[in-house]
Amino acid sequence: EVQLVQSGAEVKKPGESLKISCKGSGYSFTSYWIGWVRQMPGKGLEWMGIIYPGDSDTRYSPSFQGQVTISADKSISTAYLQWSSLKASDTAMYYCARQPLEQYYFDYWGQGTLVTVSS
Amino acid sequence: DIQMTQSPSSLSASVGDRVTITCQASQDISNYLNWYQQKPGKAPKLLIYDASNLETGVPSRFSGSGSGTDFTFTISSLQPEDIATYYCQQYDNLPLYTFGQGTKLEIK
Repeated sequence: EVQLVQSGAEVKKPGESLKISCKGSGYSFTSYWIGWVRQMPGKGLEWMGIIYPGDSDTRYSPSFQGQVTISADKSISTAYLQWSSLKASDTAMYYCARQPLEQYYFDYWGQGTLVTVSS
Repeated sequence: DIQMTQSPSSLSASVGDRVTITCQASQDISNYLNWYQQKPGKAPKLLIYDASNLETGVPSRFSGSGSGTDFTFTISSLQPEDIATYYCQQYDNLPLYTFGQGTKLEIK
């Protein structure tokens, strides 16, 4: 069974750093892209970026380029989304999702990680 | 950048009704258009990919059509469990993926 399991909710202060994770199982982790999607409270879905764990090829939405870093450790089938200095406006639910190679949709999603940034 | 216009933003319908949601792209995106369902407190779920292909396990009352710039998502007979927010999502060069604004579907 394909699963993407994300790390738990986080509460942070502005200026702090954070790295959240997404662990894939039930499939070949290095043969699919993993994307990240933000959903701010009460709002819609925003695509942030995507990584191919097989060779770490990474693409970012222009809206998120320079604001976050996406990485992956294929030895433990885990992708990451990290911030070096959080802002209150980073408060949101973050989802990881799997994209098949040479396809352009997300077929499996993680359960989401809620990040709250507040002083 | 390609802009996606999804309408309506909200919709109220009765059980058994036929429901239609549209998504319009600002440029030709061929058939690179997908539809997702998101229930409250849950992750999105893929329903339709490449404009008209039903994802495995998704009920046949859901369908999609269109190509180029105009796309339609249809529920042929609304069921109570279909209450959710629906999003279209397109693929293009950059920013690679864009989601529509969402359509919140409620039971009348």
